Amino acid sequence: DTAVSQTPKYLVTQMGNDKSIKCEQNLGHDTMYWYKQDSKKFLKIMFSYNNKELIINETVPNRFSPKSPDKAHLNLHINSLELGDSAVYFCASSQAGGATDTQYFGPGTRLTVL
Amino acid sequence: AQSVSQHNHHVILSEAASLELGCNYSYGGTVNLFWYVQYPGQHLQLLLKYFSGDPLVKGIKGFEAEFIKSKFSFNLRKPSVQWSDTAEYFCAVNAAGGSQGNLIFGKGTKLSVKP
Repeated sequence: DTAVSQTPKYLVTQMGNDKSIKCEQNLGHDTMYWYKQDSKKFLKIMFSYNNKELIINETVPNRFSPKSPDKAHLNLHINSLELGDSAVYFCASSQAGGATDTQYFGPGTRLTVL
Repeated sequence: AQSVSQHNHHVILSEAASLELGCNYSYGGTVNLFWYVQYPGQHLQLLLKYFSGDPLVKGIKGFEAEFIKSKFSFNLRKPSVQWSDTAEYFCAVNAAGGSQGNLIFGKGTKLSVKP
């Protein structure tokens, strides 16, 4: 009965590869997010989707492409992986994406690029 | 641009000690404020949030935070910590009245509680 789940939990890959991280929420929320947490634990928003539509797109390289097949899923595809992409990626969801909404986070995916 | 500062990188306390973690934000308008906690090996979860009303907000597990508008601060407090409070604590802010939940996080404070 996990609220926000991500797969895989760990991902180790070579530079230049393409990889995807999947996220699913069973809370019935309309809005989903991707955050990146760097080695210094600094969390920064990357994208948010509301009902499958892109709402927030921070300054993220276009090698990163989110895809939302339905409002319960928001996957993150990364092309041509670079060393600097190594981080923990967190998915989150909230009821409607409003500023006062609580965001519920997934367990994170630790990506290591060699 | 909005920013959040958490000045304490690592706080070490003994059980039963009182806790106060600092959080200051930079933003000219009205804000919503949040504290999230990340226990070892677990995901982030909300401790408490403030968006209007009483500036003293009570959250889960005995935590509270006070919004002081004049100081742009939202410090987290707990009168008596337990070993199980060992975790990373993140303060976050977004613009009130906005339609987007674009949270800006601080860099986190690691709390270690010695039994």
